[in-house]
Parts: sequence; structure tokens; C-alpha cells
Amino acid sequence: EAQVTQNPRYLITVTGKKLTVTCSQNMNHEYMSWYRQDPGLGLRQIYYSMNVEVTDKGDVPEGYKVSRKEKRNFPLILESPSPNQTSLYFCASSADRADSPLHFGNGTRLTVT
Amino acid sequence: GENVGLHLPTLSVQEGDNSIINCAYSNSASDYFIWYKQESGKGPQFIIDIRSNMDKRQGQRVTVLLNKTVKHLSLQIAATQPGDSAVYFCAENWVGGYNKLIFGAGTRLAVHP
Repeated sequence: EAQVTQNPRYLITVTGKKLTVTCSQNMNHEYMSWYRQDPGLGLRQIYYSMNVEVTDKGDVPEGYKVSRKEKRNFPLILESPSPNQTSLYFCASSADRADSPLHFGNGTRLTVT
Repeated sequence: GENVGLHLPTLSVQEGDNSIINCAYSNSASDYFIWYKQESGKGPQFIIDIRSNMDKRQGQRVTVLLNKTVKHLSLQIAATQPGDSAVYFCAENWVGGYNKLIFGAGTRLAVHP
């Protein structure tokens, strides 16, 4: 089954403790992206990747890092999480950045205390 | 996802009626549009897309209409069912420019039996 898989689904952590949210897609998609979703603010792009070793900032990149060493994986790294990063995070992929639909994972609910 | 429906406009319909969800997009250069459905606890799910060289596209029980003159997109759902209850997002992209989908704020569809 074609899918985008994120782990974990839920994560509670404390300020400053480094964490990684994994994302993997099995569709051989070139484009991958991370979004966060907050009430009243909608979906905002954090980082995106056009292909292996090609990443760039989205609208809200501060406090986040990403890497794209393999085509299928696009982990999101929070080096020193803060409470304002409490949010619902989605990884997504598409065959093309521009005119093919993004396929989303089921989300990671992160709480930073 | 949880709480994604807070602060969103809500469209309430009776089961079996047709639903029309509207979206005003922001950029006249946008040339690719998508509708997504997001159920509680899940990631956005692709419903239907349309390119700017079309003004109408039909899927199974859904129709998307595009009016480029007034930058307006609509999603029509025929014979709405309780399983259609969700938050619906429109998204726009510009094949020649953006590296991301730009999402609308969303509309919550509530289907009553």
C-alpha cells in the first residue's frame, strides 16, 4: 500500500531534550515536506526537500532541522524543543513539487513541557 | 487532527443533500489546485485536483469548479453522507514558482442524519 509513515504518533517531551520524528514514503517520490498544524493558523510548511541531499526552508523553519540522505526518508529534528513547538506535525510527499498532490502521513502530536 | 476544526467556518447539511464548500485563493498566478479532506486524528487526504486550463472536473460524488476570474474554487459533494463529516481544505500551487502548496484555512462540514 502506498503510504507516508510517521513515527511516533504521540510524543511528550521536556524542553531542551533533542528528538527526531521519522518519516518514510514508499512511493519513490522526489518531493517531501514537513508541515505543522495549529488551531487558527492552519498548515504551515517547515522544511521541504526536492530530492536527496536537497533541502530548503519553508515558512516556519526556526528550531527545526531536516536531512534527506535517502529518497524514502525525511526525518524532522528538534535539537532543543521548546513549548512553542507543541503542535501536530505532518510529513508529506509528492512525485513533483508543483503539479501533483501531496500525500500526507497521519501526523505526530508533539507536546513539549 | 484533534482541534483542527476549532475557529473554522462550519457548513451543516442534512444527510442526502448536496454540499458546496467554497474557497477563495490568493494568487492569480496559481495554476494547480487541490481539495483535501481531514478527519479527526488523521492527515489530510487527497480528494480531487484541477489545473488552471480546466474550469470543472468530476470525481466520484465530487465536483470541483474553478473560476479564475474571481479566484474562486468550490467543491461540490453529491448526496452527502455522515462519513463526509470532516474539515475540507483547498490548496493552490504555482507550477512555475512555488515550492509548496498554500493551504486555505479550511471549512468544517457537519452532516446530520
